[in-house]
Amino acid sequence: DIVLTQSPATLSVTPGESVSLSCRASQGINTNIHWYQQKSNESPRLLIKYASQSISGIPSRFSGSGSGTDFTLSINRVESEDFSVYYCQQSNSLPRTFGGGTKLELK
Amino acid sequence: EVQLVESGGGLVQPGASLKLSCVASGFTFSDYWMSWVRQTPGKTMEWIGDIKYDGSYTNYAPSLKNRFTISRDNAKSTLFLQMSNVRSEDTATYHCTRLYYGGYSYFDYWGQGVMVTVSS
Repeated sequence: DIVLTQSPATLSVTPGESVSLSCRASQGINTNIHWYQQKSNESPRLLIKYASQSISGIPSRFSGSGSGTDFTLSINRVESEDFSVYYCQQSNSLPRTFGGGTKLELK
Repeated sequence: EVQLVESGGGLVQPGASLKLSCVASGFTFSDYWMSWVRQTPGKTMEWIGDIKYDGSYTNYAPSLKNRFTISRDNAKSTLFLQMSNVRSEDTATYHCTRLYYGGYSYFDYWGQGVMVTVSS
């Protein structure tokens, strides 16, 4: 199975800061990684597909990059509504696996 | 608007069976692969399995394939998850998801989830 390791587990920031969240795969997965946001008591929402492709309706401050084993979700100038947990998920091979999540919290 | 609404969860004893349902609306259900994903109380996400749009093919997580079965009723736009011989580690929130199946798939819509608690 492909293991996805997200770091940091928790990131404390103030609104207006720009941040980068990391997802590292245990083996190369090309760009077959997707990012989800889960706000408290809500279901996850797709943010980025295939490492860097944008999703309709998602604010442009969210962007993704990476290929192979190292991937990054970037948020340009965090807003209050962005404080959530972020998960990466790989679709390169079965079983589909998720990272453990990064919690973005208010400093 | 795509909506996925799960039901059927609750408190169940170890060793029992339980069937979850997910009613879909806002899209042509019979055109899409569907999946189940669960989230443990510790917030770990685990993929359970997928079913092809016509119900003819399924994928499962190896650790669950002997106890969980995914099926669908396209006439009723409903997805099912049959859980058997449940264990305490099956305690989780179960999400119905729509799978964008393009070779390398992702979950483009999620239901709110239904909680299952396995305890005596």
